[in-house]
Order: sequence, then structure tokens, then C-alpha cells
Amino acid sequence: EVQLVESGGGLVQPGGSLRLSCAASGFTFSTYWMNWVRQAPGKGLEWVAHINRDGSENYYVDSLKGRFTISRDNAKNSLYLHMNSLRAEDTAVYYCARTPAFGGIDYWGQGTLVTVSS
Amino acid sequence: QPVVTQSSSASASLGSSVKLTCTLDSGHSSYIIAWHQQPPGKAPRYLMKLEGSGSYSKGSGVPDRFSGSSSGTDRYLTISNLQFEDEADYYCQTWESNTRVFGGGTKLTVL
Repeated sequence: EVQLVESGGGLVQPGGSLRLSCAASGFTFSTYWMNWVRQAPGKGLEWVAHINRDGSENYYVDSLKGRFTISRDNAKNSLYLHMNSLRAEDTAVYYCARTPAFGGIDYWGQGTLVTVSS
Repeated sequence: QPVVTQSSSASASLGSSVKLTCTLDSGHSSYIIAWHQQPPGKAPRYLMKLEGSGSYSKGSGVPDRFSGSSSGTDRYLTISNLQFEDEADYYCQTWESNTRVFGGGTKLTVL
């Protein structure tokens, strides 16, 4: 069974940093592109970033370039999102999601809540 | 990059059928999309991949009541024999090599 379990969310002050993790199991992690998607309270889904199988390519939504970094450790079956210079508008549930061969998303984690507030 | 548009809300009666629409911009009319379901307070769930030809492939465990179809720039999700547990937000998604795009979502109410 495919499982994606996010962790690392919490309350952080504006300007602070946080690292989210996603533990993957039930599939060969190193053979899939992976994503982070976020959802602000009461809002829709927003794609944040994705990374290729070996971590050598990554892409971001334009509005976040330079502040967030996606990475992975295939030996640990883990995906990460490093978030810097956090703002109130980054408050959201952050989901880890898998990209299948056809290119969309076919599995989602349960999400981790990040709250940016003083 | 592609743009996908959805109506903000829809409603239908228990036991009836509903057809939700996702519209691609004209420059990306042939693109494949995915449909996702998000019940209130829960994580999204992948429902299906849907091609411009109307061919679709559902995710694991998705009931037969869910089907897809296409016409031009429109991609449809039809839910038959509506159940109360179908009340959720439904998102369509498309992608290019370096980006993924979500529609704004349709909130489905089962009356």
C-alpha cells in the first residue's frame, strides 16, 4: 500500500524557517517524481514544487522561487521542503504527492499544517 | 503554461447524477487532466486520469459510479447515483514538464 506521511509542520514566526519531511513507503520511491502541494485555509490547491527521480532537477511555482527548496534522500525514502523567510501568506496545509508515469498526481499524503504568525 | 477553469459550485439530489466541468484554455486543448476529490477536512484523493479522446483510467478503489468524458477543451467528471459521501470539493489538474496547475475547485453539495 502506498503511504506518504508528512511531518515537521507547526507554528513559526514571520521570517523564520522550517523543514517539512515526507516519509514514503509501499513503492519504489527512487523511481518517481515527487511534489509538494499546499492549501491555504479555505482556499484551493496550489502546486508548490516538484523534483525528479534522482534529485538533479527541481521546479517551483514562480511566486516561491528562492525561498523554498525541494530535496529528496532516496536512501531514506524521504522528500523534504525547506522553507525560508516565511510569511503569513505561507500559512497552509502542505501535502506530499506522487507523480505517476502519466505526469499528474496519483497519491497524496495526509498533510502537515504550517502556521506563520507572531 | 496551461490554465484550467472550474465552476465554483454544483448541487444535485441524492441518487441522481451530476456532471462537473473542467475547461482547458484553447492553447492547451489536447492536454490530459486528472480529477481529485477532497471531502471536507480531509486530504485530496486521486480519482482518474482523463485524456482529450475521452479515455479515462481510474485510481485504485474508485467506485464505478465515477466516470470521465471529454469534448474539445472541456473535461467532465460524471458521478452517478450520488451518495452523501460524494459531497466534497473536486479539483482538476493538468501539467507541463516543469509545472503543475490546479483548477479552483468545484464544491459539490448533495441535497
